[in-house]
Amino acid sequence: KQEVTQIPAALSVPEGENLVLNCSFTDSAIYNLQWFRQDPGKGLTSLLLIQSSQREQTSGRLNASLDKSSGRSTLYIAASQPGDSATYLCAATPQGAQKLVFGQGTRLTINP
Amino acid sequence: EAGVTQSPTHLIKTRGQQVTLRCSPISGHTSVYWYQQALGLGLQFLLWYDEGEERNRGNFPPRFSGRQFPNYSSELNVNALELEDSALYLCASSWGLAGGGETQYFGPGTRLLVL
Repeated sequence: KQEVTQIPAALSVPEGENLVLNCSFTDSAIYNLQWFRQDPGKGLTSLLLIQSSQREQTSGRLNASLDKSSGRSTLYIAASQPGDSATYLCAATPQGAQKLVFGQGTRLTINP
Repeated sequence: EAGVTQSPTHLIKTRGQQVTLRCSPISGHTSVYWYQQALGLGLQFLLWYDEGEERNRGNFPPRFSGRQFPNYSSELNVNALELEDSALYLCASSWGLAGGGETQYFGPGTRLLVL
């Protein structure tokens, strides 16, 4: 059974810093791993999706990496801004199961 | 192109009542997924429908059920509501069973409060 863990649960950093969010998963048999952003009380916004054959994906100030052998993914945010404050969720799609298995999320606060 | 839509946005019910939530997928998507985000429990997979059939079910009791219509829209029904059913219910859609691991696109959710 796939389990996804995100550490830390909360993170607070000053504006302008580069930061890394961590995600680990127990079973390397995945189709892909996806990072989402969730603002309070709202739905999910997809940020980056990494297919199992890929090592990383980039979008603007965001870079996500995937290491299946170690069961880890990271989301790197460069030059953080107060607007980046949100909860960040990672989710893995297990092979043979068309569903997303989510981590508990990291609540990120960027202080001006 | 319109995204995934859900209705209603908010709902208040009392314990024991029944509720129906609705979801319209992105045009062309045949798969619809339902997830529950209860406070402190994270996002949990509920149901997956594709081409009108239930394809997979999460670890939820039978009072959680749903269906998918010929136009690929979907309903989630919850019977005999309990206080712990209070949650944000998210619907997502994707292309069908092409190869697995299709990207899921999420709607804004329905927030259900059970009193």
